[in-house]
Amino acid sequence: KQEVTQIPAALSVPEGENLVLNCSFTDSAIYNLQWFRQDPGKGLTSLLLIQSSQREQTSGRLNASLDKSSGRSTLYIAASQPGDSATYLCAVCYGGSQGNLIFGKGTKLSVKP
Amino acid sequence: GAGVSQSPSNKVTEKGKDVELRCDPISGHTALYWYRQSLGQGLEFLIYFQGNSAPDKSGLPSDRFSAERTGGSVSTLTIQRTQQEDSAVYLCASSSDGRPETQYFGPGTRLLVL
Repeated sequence: KQEVTQIPAALSVPEGENLVLNCSFTDSAIYNLQWFRQDPGKGLTSLLLIQSSQREQTSGRLNASLDKSSGRSTLYIAASQPGDSATYLCAVCYGGSQGNLIFGKGTKLSVKP
Repeated sequence: GAGVSQSPSNKVTEKGKDVELRCDPISGHTALYWYRQSLGQGLEFLIYFQGNSAPDKSGLPSDRFSAERTGGSVSTLTIQRTQQEDSAVYLCASSSDGRPETQYFGPGTRLLVL
């Protein structure tokens, strides 16, 4: 069964800290991997998309890495801000023609001012 | 431009009643997806529509769940004889043809079955 696991389930840090969120997946034959942000009462916002042939993607203070062989991805957030507080979801796509995503349960991040 | 919209935003119903949830995808997007997010659980894939092809219903949890997509645009997810375990946030997403991995999500419908 294809599963996606995210650790930790929740994380609280003071403003300004750098932090790492972890995602692991059981089947390494992925098509791509995405990190999403989910705010309460709102839909998901795609943050970074890494294709299976890529090792990392960067956007502003966010950097996502992918190690397909070990079934792992990390999301690194630099200089965290209170506005970064949200739930971060990792999702794996196994089929380009089908495209449904398999999600982890998320990491709920709280950045304290 | 307009994103994916869903209605209602919140729905409270009694056990045993039928409910309909609506999704308006981004104009021109040929692929449409429904997901369910139960409390403490990850998003669970339900059903996928792509153009005029037969939908992928492999994620529907029971025959009480069904979905339609009329005219290749608006989609309705119907849950018959609702149960308390159906309480969840139901999310819809759409993507443009050829880029199934880039899905734009709606805000979701929060369903509470009493």
